[in-house]
Amino acid sequence: AQKITQTQPGMFVQEKEAVTLDCTYDTSDPSYGLFWYKQPSSGEMIFLIYQGSYDQQNATEGRYSLNFQKARKSANLVISASQLGDSAMYFCAMRRLQGGSEKLVFGKGTKLTVNP
Amino acid sequence: GAVVSQHPSRVICKSGTSVKIECRSLDFQATTMFWYRQFPKQSLMLMATSNEGSKATYEQGVEKDKFLINHASLTLSTLTVTSAHPEDSSFYICSARDRSSGGRRFHNEQFFGPGTRLTVL
Repeated sequence: AQKITQTQPGMFVQEKEAVTLDCTYDTSDPSYGLFWYKQPSSGEMIFLIYQGSYDQQNATEGRYSLNFQKARKSANLVISASQLGDSAMYFCAMRRLQGGSEKLVFGKGTKLTVNP
Repeated sequence: GAVVSQHPSRVICKSGTSVKIECRSLDFQATTMFWYRQFPKQSLMLMATSNEGSKATYEQGVEKDKFLINHASLTLSTLTVTSAHPEDSSFYICSARDRSSGGRRFHNEQFFGPGTRLTVL
């Protein structure tokens, strides 16, 4: 069964420092996609970064980078130079194919708090 | 581009009433829309997949008679919570998948609406 595991319910980081949010996944699909979303207190889901299982290089989007280790089935999010506005819930998700349609499976999330 | 709206953003209703939530793709056509539910401090759980012009596909454990989904056009899907009860209070989020993959960051990208917070008294 496809599953996403985020083992850190909460993380704290000092402003301007880097932080890594962990995500491991379990799938038997040969092709899949991994996502990270940010959800501030307002509730909207903000797309951050995407990694395809066949992508040769780790994805990067500005201050966000994804440390993709396929053999370990991990897709950790690295946020560099943290800002106060980065405080939010962060969800790792995997796209899976079931019954002919694609669906997203989400982890339980990590609450990131950036301290001044 | 790729904006998805939801209406209303918040709704409070009495137990036993029905509530309709709209999800619209504003600048693209969405053959598929997804409805998620999120309880406080929990993750998003997929409730159903809605395809334009056909019946929705519900996830296991989701009552199709309680959560009615209609996807009448390529830009609108509605979720109706029938005979709502306090345990239905939750944050409901829709997402829409762009019909075309051209110009997007990756194929079949989903775009999320801002969510609707439902409180049933």
